Amino acid sequence: AQKVTQAQTEISVVEKEDVTLDCVYETRDTTYYLFWYKQPPSGELVFLIRRNSFDEQNEISGRYSWNFQKSTSSFNFTITASQVVDSAVYFCALRRDDKIIFGKGTRLHILP
Amino acid sequence: DAGVTQSPTHLIKTRGQHVTLRCSPISGHKSVSWYQQVLGQGPQFIFQYYEKEERGRGNFPDRFSARQFPNYSSELNVNALLLGDSALYLCASSLDPGMSTGELFFGEGSRLTVL
Repeated sequence: AQKVTQAQTEISVVEKEDVTLDCVYETRDTTYYLFWYKQPPSGELVFLIRRNSFDEQNEISGRYSWNFQKSTSSFNFTITASQVVDSAVYFCALRRDDKIIFGKGTRLHILP
Repeated sequence: DAGVTQSPTHLIKTRGQHVTLRCSPISGHKSVSWYQQVLGQGPQFIFQYYEKEERGRGNFPDRFSARQFPNYSSELNVNALLLGDSALYLCASSLDPGMSTGELFFGEGSRLTVL
């Protein structure tokens, strides 16, 4: 079965704190892609990152970083020095064939 | 450059009615996908169209249908609306159905409320 689990439904942190959003996935495919999307209140899903199954290098983009570990089927997302503008719902997702399977999302509140 | 555009942004219908949602992909994108996002959940795949052909269909009843036009825009139709159809309907476009670029570009969605 293809499945994405985001166990954290909602997280609140104070601005400037670091926060990690967890993602665990299940797939029988040997080649697959993982994604993170951000959904602000406007509703639009904003692409953050894609990672393929052959590339386990961690990635950093500004305050964002991602930790991909095939051994534990996890693809966690860390925001360093969080800002109020980071408040949104974040989705982890897995591509299967021509569709994307999303987790249920983690609602992140950054408190000023 | 214009992103993915959807219309209408909000609409209210009553049970049993029919609704048509519209989507214009990013210029040059030939693949359009539709997703349903119920409140508090992640988006669920409904359809994908590429070059006017249906490429994939999610686990939705036959009341849901879609089509893609020669200009690659798309319509999602839902018949005999149920209360449970209330959701944000997201359209996404990509250059190709396999998303070789790695990205789906999403619109802001059409929020449907069924009373």
